[in-house]
Amino acid sequence: DTGVSQDPRHKITKRGQNVTFRCDPISEHNRLYWYRQTLGQGPEFLTYFQNEAQLEKSRLLSDRFSAERPKGSFSTLEIQRTEQGDSAMYLCASSYPGQGREKLFFGSGTQLSVL
Amino acid sequence: SQQGEEDPQALSIQEGENATMNCSYKTSINNLQWYRQNSGRGLVHLILIRSNEREKHSGRLRVTLDTSKKSSSLLITASRAADTASYFCATDRGSTLGRLYFGRGTQLTVWP
Repeated sequence: DTGVSQDPRHKITKRGQNVTFRCDPISEHNRLYWYRQTLGQGPEFLTYFQNEAQLEKSRLLSDRFSAERPKGSFSTLEIQRTEQGDSAMYLCASSYPGQGREKLFFGSGTQLSVL
Repeated sequence: SQQGEEDPQALSIQEGENATMNCSYKTSINNLQWYRQNSGRGLVHLILIRSNEREKHSGRLRVTLDTSKKSSSLLITASRAADTASYFCATDRGSTLGRLYFGRGTQLTVWP
């Protein structure tokens, strides 16, 4: 059990470019969440997968954002045509399928800077 | 939108002192959780308290929950410099889907 892994740790991009982040959850976890966190704020929910199904999306997830979880394992979050307001820490979390599923295990995040 | 409001926003104490952080929320809940975040890192789960519980302990941590006042407190006893971090409360807003709604956090600084 190596924990939740996110890649890359840091990403600097120019406005208008597309970026993609990857999250590898803990292997037996079937639930996977994406959150966004800006400086001085708590994490804000973006979207949630149970296995490969995307079950919920926040209104924060505009049509420039897309998330996938093929085969119910790793997940990717893509942001198209990035804007400066997208600069934030993007956090991935996963949880157990059974008892204790309320507890989230977070990765270290991907810090995105849009210039 | 943010669910909880932590109070204070920042807390600075000396090693050995106790640190108390408060959290208020607005909706019904199944449980309330506290997480810790070191600068630039992900969040780490500390403790979960269910809506039918009033108090819970874990090591140097003590959490209370008052559902009538929609508030919770986190007490860290005998604080250490290594406790320096941001502390967030999170609730489920009564959902069982597992998504959590976080407050803005309390930045705790413990001076050696």
